[in-house]
Amino acid sequence: LAKTTQPISMDSYEGQEVNITCSHNNIATNDYITWYQQFPSQGPRFIIQGYKTKVTNEVASLFIPADRKSSTLSLPRVSLSDTAVYYCLVGDSVDSSYKLIFGSGTRLLVRP
Amino acid sequence: GAVVSQHPSWVICKSGTSVKIECRSLDFQATTMFWYRQFPKQSLMLMATSNEGSKATYEQGVEKDKFLINHASLTLSTLTVTSAHPEDSSFYICSALLAGGGTDTQYFGPGTRLTVL
Repeated sequence: LAKTTQPISMDSYEGQEVNITCSHNNIATNDYITWYQQFPSQGPRFIIQGYKTKVTNEVASLFIPADRKSSTLSLPRVSLSDTAVYYCLVGDSVDSSYKLIFGSGTRLLVRP
Repeated sequence: GAVVSQHPSWVICKSGTSVKIECRSLDFQATTMFWYRQFPKQSLMLMATSNEGSKATYEQGVEKDKFLINHASLTLSTLTVTSAHPEDSSFYICSALLAGGGTDTQYFGPGTRLTVL
């Protein structure tokens, strides 16, 4: 199973750009990288998914280097409501299923 | 798109009773759904993989006779906690797999808070 390593916590201020880096040294050739956001007492919310290079959507960007052993989630101009836990996950395809093994995530605190 | 619902959002029950939690994919079909459990301040722990029309696959250490999973249709999976005890109190979250287009993505439900008295 491909494991991921993220910083336990990060602090930021409103309006700043936040970059959260995740290590996944054992990523498999067919695995995609997916990031989720979770607020207390809620299910994780899909943020972004990518395979290589750069992916951008309306809420975030995902940077993946050529060796794919890490990825960086970039949140532009964070607000207080972005305070949450962010999980980086690498898909593990087993028997055509797609299990996700959650690590500890990164607890982001956005201050005024 | 890709909305997953759970029902109920919270439930309180007496020790020894059984509780059923429903997970529905509202706008897509999902042959595969997943059930997770999350304790306070901890990460999500995968309990089992639910496959439509076949038996669920349980993770190591999860009792299949205690956590019954039924995936009767392409949009519904249920988790029944049988003979619940206080240690089963937790936040249960399901997800549904949206497959296709070369990528597979799990979309999560809002979770169900179970409290066993």
